[in-house]
Amino acid sequence: DTEVTQTPKHLVMGMTNKKSLKCEQHMGHRAMYWYKQKAKKPPELMFVYSYEKLSINESVPSRFSPECPNSSLLNLHLHALQPEDSALYLCASSQGLMGPTAGELFFGEGSRLTVL
Amino acid sequence: GQQLNQSPQSMFIQEGEDVSMNCTSSSIFNTWLWYKQDPGEGPVLLIALYKAGELTSNGRLTAQFGITRKDSFLNISASIPSDVGIYFCAGRFTYYGGSQGNLIFGKGTKLSVKP
Repeated sequence: DTEVTQTPKHLVMGMTNKKSLKCEQHMGHRAMYWYKQKAKKPPELMFVYSYEKLSINESVPSRFSPECPNSSLLNLHLHALQPEDSALYLCASSQGLMGPTAGELFFGEGSRLTVL
Repeated sequence: GQQLNQSPQSMFIQEGEDVSMNCTSSSIFNTWLWYKQDPGEGPVLLIALYKAGELTSNGRLTAQFGITRKDSFLNISASIPSDVGIYFCAGRFTYYGGSQGNLIFGKGTKLSVKP
């Protein structure tokens, strides 16, 4: 199984809503990532978890709250978002953060978020 | 911070033609990777390069890790319609002790193939 599964595929929410994006992988990878991607732009790193602990937070606003309940699951909790937060949110995993294969990311299909 | 310059920004080619794109950096990387992203999908890893001068193939794709460690090239031979998509280069630097820097992405090359 070499898949990263993300749900939902599409999400529309108002600025006062609370919602969550979910990500799951069963490749035994120990590092998991959230990226944000705007149209015609490269993915932009938001958070990195390593062994279920938050390793990197790229100065992301607190209205985005990540959670790693176990080594296979990664959530992104959304609250009080702004319209400019509309984007494709990509989850990815890698074997770990050390070693040459750390850059070999497996991405999910993404969750397309629209904030009204 | 580190930045990658990827070119060309977009390409329109005829089916069967060869394609070449490249990435350059102002600083060195230990790892170069090439990803492809289809519309509505996440990026998929095509080729990973770990050694300066390394030349690696994956089917019709060939990529090279530049000798200076500041550039990489991706070539696609005999393009077909399913090659359409956005190709991203990415670089990573390994610090002393083995910890990895963040993956830095190029801005992408959008490839269109006319049948």
